[in-house]
Amino acid sequence: DAKTTQPPSMDCAEGRAANLPCNHSTISGNEYVYWYRQIHSQGPQYIIHGLKNNETNEMASLIITEDRKSSTLILPHATLRDTAVYYCIVRDTNNAGNMLTFGGGTRLMVKP
Amino acid sequence: DVKVTQSSRYLVKRTGEKVFLECVQDMDHENMFWYRQDPGLGLRLIYFSYDVKMKEKGDIPEGYSVSREKKERFSLILESASTNQTSMYLCASSFGTGGYGYTFGSGTRLTVV
Repeated sequence: DAKTTQPPSMDCAEGRAANLPCNHSTISGNEYVYWYRQIHSQGPQYIIHGLKNNETNEMASLIITEDRKSSTLILPHATLRDTAVYYCIVRDTNNAGNMLTFGGGTRLMVKP
Repeated sequence: DVKVTQSSRYLVKRTGEKVFLECVQDMDHENMFWYRQDPGLGLRLIYFSYDVKMKEKGDIPEGYSVSREKKERFSLILESASTNQTSMYLCASSFGTGGYGYTFGSGTRLTVV
């Protein structure tokens, strides 16, 4: 699976949009981009995933560049409860074992 | 609400003890996973199972074994606990091959003294 690079930490003001970048320059054509987050003392939680089109759900939006080498997770109106570590994972859905490989993630701090 | 339930939130065990960490899911998922999480090292996969009685080693299986006798239950076994196995242990389950269907438990914080 392709390696991802994320900034180790970011701050965001409450009520503003949080834009979390992820670089995956070695992504291959059949690899998806997944985002999970982990709130303190809880297990990771699935947020969203995509292949090449932008995606939106009730939690967030995922913007993938045309060359697919990077993506941005957008939380449109961040709240204090969005403070968490956000993981960007690139994964081939056909890989053996179906397991997720987590990197270091981005620690997002939403401030009042 | 779908759930992955880990039997204990906190455990303290002595060095050399045999330790069982239990995980139960109610979603009829085929795949189940055990990760450990340590500061600075992130989440690392210990073992996973894609079917009853099937198991596969992850990245760090040494010192651990697993058991999956029923579809809903996946147990992690520390044969002889050591202090370097002090960690947060997370269980997850998923359906099919997609990475979006992973549901994690709340974790078990194990301290080996």
